[in-house]
Amino acid sequence: SAVISQKPSRDICQRGTSLTIQCQVDSQVTMMFWYRQQPGQSLTLIATANQGSEATYESGFVIDKFPISRPNLTFSTLTVSNMSPEDSSIYLCSVKRGETQYFGPGTRLLVL
Amino acid sequence: AQSVAQPEDQVNVAEGNPLTVKCTYSVSGNPYLFWYVQYPNRGLQFLLKYITGDNLVKGSYGFEAEFNKSQTSFHLKKPSALVSDSALYFCAVRDPLSSGSARQLTFGSGTQLTVLP
Repeated sequence: SAVISQKPSRDICQRGTSLTIQCQVDSQVTMMFWYRQQPGQSLTLIATANQGSEATYESGFVIDKFPISRPNLTFSTLTVSNMSPEDSSIYLCSVKRGETQYFGPGTRLLVL
Repeated sequence: AQSVAQPEDQVNVAEGNPLTVKCTYSVSGNPYLFWYVQYPNRGLQFLLKYITGDNLVKGSYGFEAEFNKSQTSFHLKKPSALVSDSALYFCAVRDPLSSGSARQLTFGSGTQLTVLP
């Protein structure tokens, strides 16, 4: 399995501001994934982050809105920029061990 | 493209009764299938997976799932439900032969399981 921690666990933010979410994994991984879970919805992949290269974004997500850093093999950050109420979601970090993906506890974001 | 369907938004079952949460999938090749559970205000927890081999896979907390290739299904089951099993359950699929983003997990819409005391 994998032990994944995220900070903050939740936050309430004003529209127009930005929030950076941190993800820490207990051991080195090649790829880290960031997902969004909108209220009452399923999970949607935002991007895949590899160490030493730019993140790969899924359709509908852009780097200007969701910049990602991956400074080393155990850590990544996701920034939600210029937030609007539509960004209110749970943001989850994920890693893969073998064929199984494991998820962090999530960051619950409410944008007012 | 791969997809997964969970036809029931809500499943209610009495404590002690068997439970089933349904999942069907669509992939071009042989699927990798997963079940996750999300308790209130928690992240996703991995329950079990089917990669290859025995069609009946056993996972955490007494859950099991049966891979049925002819029916393209991977239903989650438990012989005797507990009130503490009440949570949101997600089925997910990956096609290992796909490339790019298609190689990543695709999740179903989720099924809210409520076990009544």
